[in-house]
Amino acid sequence: QVNLLQSRAALVKPGASVKLSCKASGYTFTDYYIHWVKQSHGKSLEWIGYINPNSGYTNYNEKFKSKATLTVDKSTNTAYMELSRLTSEDSATYYCTGVRGFAYWGQGTLVTVSS
Amino acid sequence: DIVMTQSPSSLAVSAGETVTINCKSSQSLLSSGNQKNYLAWYQQKPGQSPKLLIYLASTRESGVPDRFIGSGSGTDFTLTISSVQAEDLADYYCQQHYSYPPTFGAGTKLELK
Repeated sequence: QVNLLQSRAALVKPGASVKLSCKASGYTFTDYYIHWVKQSHGKSLEWIGYINPNSGYTNYNEKFKSKATLTVDKSTNTAYMELSRLTSEDSATYYCTGVRGFAYWGQGTLVTVSS
Repeated sequence: DIVMTQSPSSLAVSAGETVTINCKSSQSLLSSGNQKNYLAWYQQKPGQSPKLLIYLASTRESGVPDRFIGSGSGTDFTLTISSVQAEDLADYYCQQHYSYPPTFGAGTKLELK
């Protein structure tokens, strides 16, 4: 069964960076893109971008191009998203999702930006 | 970017009622090549991740009860939940994946009356 297991919640200081992980299992990792989605508290969903695990090709939402960097490690079937120069606006739950588009979702990682 | 407009923003229902959630896109989501509408519906319960219910406007994801029905084409879409059950109380989002970036509606909160 497909499973996307995300890293635990993170508390980070303003101006710092954080790297989130998403470990895939139950399918061939290189067969499907991994997408990342942001959900601020009580708000809707925003697509950040995707990475093709096979080629490493990335496609970002223009809004997040200077904020997020997507990478993968094929040896461990893990996708990563690094968020840089964090502000309070980046406090949110971040999801990885994939397989046939957005059919499967990780459990989410809550990022809190606070001094 | 394609803007997705959902209505209503919230809906109070009693168990057993039929409810309709609407979603309108700022551009057509109908592919002229294959005549498919690239519109999906998600359910999100409190504290949980979104769950895919419907894709290609009207195809139910495996395991989704048949009381969830997606319809519509072009720019106007509907999610109908017949005979609402207590377990259906959640937030519902439409999403277009016709063009990048994929965009979501603002959501509809389904609550108990």
